[in-house]
Amino acid sequence: AQSVTQLDSQVPVFEEAPVELRCNYSSSVSVYLFWYVQYPNQGLQLLLKYLSGSTLVESINGFEAEFNKSQTSFHLRKPSVHISDTAEYFCAVSGNTGFQKLVFGTGTRLLVSP
Amino acid sequence: NAGVTQTPKFQVLKTGQSMTLQCAQDMNHNSMYWYRQDPGMGLRLIYYSASEGTTDKGEVPNGYNVSRLNKREFSLRLESAAPSQTSVYFCASSGQSDTEAFFGQGTRLTVV
Repeated sequence: AQSVTQLDSQVPVFEEAPVELRCNYSSSVSVYLFWYVQYPNQGLQLLLKYLSGSTLVESINGFEAEFNKSQTSFHLRKPSVHISDTAEYFCAVSGNTGFQKLVFGTGTRLLVSP
Repeated sequence: NAGVTQTPKFQVLKTGQSMTLQCAQDMNHNSMYWYRQDPGMGLRLIYYSASEGTTDKGEVPNGYNVSRLNKREFSLRLESAAPSQTSVYFCASSGQSDTEAFFGQGTRLTVV
């Protein structure tokens, strides 16, 4: 079984500042890792994912995350945030063989202020 | 593309009433899921269907039943609604390759 820990329930930051949203996971098998974003009153959208290969993955809107197997982490970073990045961010994990369910963390609310 | 469609978007029920939440996907995905989202608790899996014809319990199945009607449709039924079932419900689907899930817009359910 897998589990995900997002220690920060809320992260306030000023516009154009860098941000890091932390995610740690536990699993007895190899994993796939995901970050989803949820804008107010909407469903979840995939932001980026790690399946295999390069441990650094990027999204089209400037976010990146690095898979660190030794630290069992998949932290999300952005060097300069915009007001429009205000949303809730969920880290998720699944095993990578056969059918595997997605397990989500409790989410981190990113609040970007001018 | 419609993706994952959930109905209704909003619902208010009285305690003890029953209702069915509908979900349909048009991506030819094998797997479908029902999650509930509560403040501070993230998304918790209620039931899932790995493939057409199979359903299994997730983390919080009590008080719910599901039906995988065909490959496209996966419904969630509350037989006797309770205030503890007040939540936002999300349906999702995924293909076989990498378990990336595609979500519907959610159903906001209030039980009074």
